[in-house]
Amino acid sequence: QQQVKQSPQSLIVQKGGISIINCAYENTAFDYFPWYQQFPGKGPALLIAIRPDVSEKKEGRFTISFNKSAKQFSLHIMDSQPGDSATYFCAAILNDKIIFGKGTRLHILP
Amino acid sequence: KAGVTQTPRYLIKTRGQQVTLSCSPISGHRSVSWYQQTPGQGLQFLFEYFSETQRNKGNFPGRFSGRQFSNSRSEMNVSTLELGDSALYLCASSFQPGQVPYEQYFGPGTRLTVT
Repeated sequence: QQQVKQSPQSLIVQKGGISIINCAYENTAFDYFPWYQQFPGKGPALLIAIRPDVSEKKEGRFTISFNKSAKQFSLHIMDSQPGDSATYFCAAILNDKIIFGKGTRLHILP
Repeated sequence: KAGVTQTPRYLIKTRGQQVTLSCSPISGHRSVSWYQQTPGQGLQFLFEYFSETQRNKGNFPGRFSGRQFSNSRSEMNVSTLELGDSALYLCASSFQPGQVPYEQYFGPGTRLTVT
């Protein structure tokens, strides 16, 4: 019940394309859903986050879509660039405890 | 403003030994959390400290412990190291617990290898 399932494990997208990463959760009590971006040799960095009472949030080229009834949320990266190549983690927060997905390694082809 | 710093960056230890990792949060941040990152299990929450008190704890054995000092700096200790403890240990700081949006800033991590 405390798991967050993330897919795919790895993703290759052409430059300019749309990258889509999906996450699913079971516990409806989660109250915050952040996405993190991690480059090699660095710690994760908060990218964008959403509360469950919002269906979509957009920040620049990054959009979170949230489907409360399906208990799923996804990250869309529009106009993907080689600099977006990184590992992306979705997460869910309950009572200040954060549960991470296993991560998606994204590679953008130049 | 300086980011979260972690020392050492790399560490090699032998099974059975103990290790202490250090984390200095961003100036003004009083909450420090620790995570273990491995290829198999991903990012897992270890514990969180605020005002020198442990607020939250993940599902790790008692060999994993931590503390926070009055200047908000934190240390984590792993005793009786096992091969499976090889991982990247990440520290993250935030201004205060439960802050919304949930903004915590991660350090670069300490890469621990147990042989």
